[in-house]
Amino acid sequence: DAGVIQSPRHEVTEMGQEVTLRCKPISGHNSLFWYRQTMMRGLELLIYFNNNVPIDDSGMPEDRFSAKMPNASFSTLKIQPSEPRDSAVYFCASSSDTPRLYEQYFGPGTRLTVT
Amino acid sequence: KNEVEQSPQNLTAQEGEFITINCSYSVGISALHWLQQHPGGGIVSLFMLSSGKKKHGRLIATINIQEKHSSLHITASHPRDSAVYICGPIGRGADGLTFGKGTHLIIQP
Repeated sequence: DAGVIQSPRHEVTEMGQEVTLRCKPISGHNSLFWYRQTMMRGLELLIYFNNNVPIDDSGMPEDRFSAKMPNASFSTLKIQPSEPRDSAVYFCASSSDTPRLYEQYFGPGTRLTVT
Repeated sequence: KNEVEQSPQNLTAQEGEFITINCSYSVGISALHWLQQHPGGGIVSLFMLSSGKKKHGRLIATINIQEKHSSLHITASHPRDSAVYICGPIGRGADGLTFGKGTHLIIQP
């Protein structure tokens, strides 16, 4: 399997613009996680889905952030409007509800810069 | 304040040394995650555990849910173990608990 795929790998945008980050989980995995990492705050869980349903979105920083999972093979994280403080690396991870201990597999991340 | 604290923040050791990284958290959680982040930025899940001890190769992780403490041990450390090690709750835990800031480990040959 190709692993978790994220796109784009790098995104530079101006404040106020809409940003959409994309994630394709590993085939067969039924849980998907969006994380954000910054120097100041470290790694934070934003939201996670199970069987395409958002289970916990309490980590989403504010209404400017939204996430969807329309099917088992695709998820998006949208920021509208973007602000400089949203600059971070955004990771997507997926896991399977198997006896293999729910191990999460991380994508390579999307480095977002908002100017 | 609900926090995850890791110690030490930075650790430099010689190849072959036994390494211990500690993780303490302030509120109850049901399970904890240890992650390894390589210098290039990629993240690998090392352990997910809710009780006791787990071992994978030279890595050992322990957790005491009641004492709100976990440790990650590396035996016979090697320069390729140089990375940032991060602990945190599965999900967000209670009251928005999130990940520790990480331990920067450097193993010198």
